[in-house]
Amino acid sequence: GAVVSQHPSRVICKSGTSVKIECRSLDFQATTMFWYRQFPKQSLMLMATSNEGSKATYEQGVEKDKFLINHASLTLSTLTVTSAHPEDSSFYICSALTGTAEYFGPGTRLTVL
Amino acid sequence: QKEVEQDPGPLSVPEGAIVSLNCTYSNSAFQYFMWYRQYSRKGPELLMYTYSSGNKEDGRFTAQVDKSSKYISLFIRDSQPSDSATYLCAMKRGGGGADGLTFGKGTHLIIQP
Repeated sequence: GAVVSQHPSRVICKSGTSVKIECRSLDFQATTMFWYRQFPKQSLMLMATSNEGSKATYEQGVEKDKFLINHASLTLSTLTVTSAHPEDSSFYICSALTGTAEYFGPGTRLTVL
Repeated sequence: QKEVEQDPGPLSVPEGAIVSLNCTYSNSAFQYFMWYRQYSRKGPELLMYTYSSGNKEDGRFTAQVDKSSKYISLFIRDSQPSDSATYLCAMKRGGGGADGLTFGKGTHLIIQP
């Protein structure tokens, strides 16, 4: 149980384009999902909290207009990186909350050329 | 001072040894403490989950929390080469669980066959 999937697992895009990443809880419903970013040899940093049916809450320093989050249903949250630039290249990981435990997806590696 | 401090290692031990991993933290509001295992380029996998102070055992893994010292530990008995990974401590405040996690930097563990 408590399986979270992400799609795509890897994406390469040109600078200036937008990229959408999907996060799904496969065997449970999650009213709250989280999006994290991880740079090489660094820890996970929380970007935003995604709540089903309401606006996402962003951490300080994270641009909400650049990282659009939509929590469309109890099993799906999407992160769209708009007008991506090379500095946005990173490993993006989502998690879904069940009770007080968080279960993570496998991550999406974004490379912006 | 960072909220969560964790020695990045690498920590190299022979197969069969007892491994001790630990983190210190500064925020006394943290109530939930987790240990995740992360293999290279993968999402974190939840290993242990503890609320407040005390010990918790699950198979070869034992988690300890000492809130008075703001110190948490993970012990791995009979370590195996397959335990080689990065171990992340994570924690969150009390109050319903809707906060994201604050992670340590992760300790890179190597179990030598």
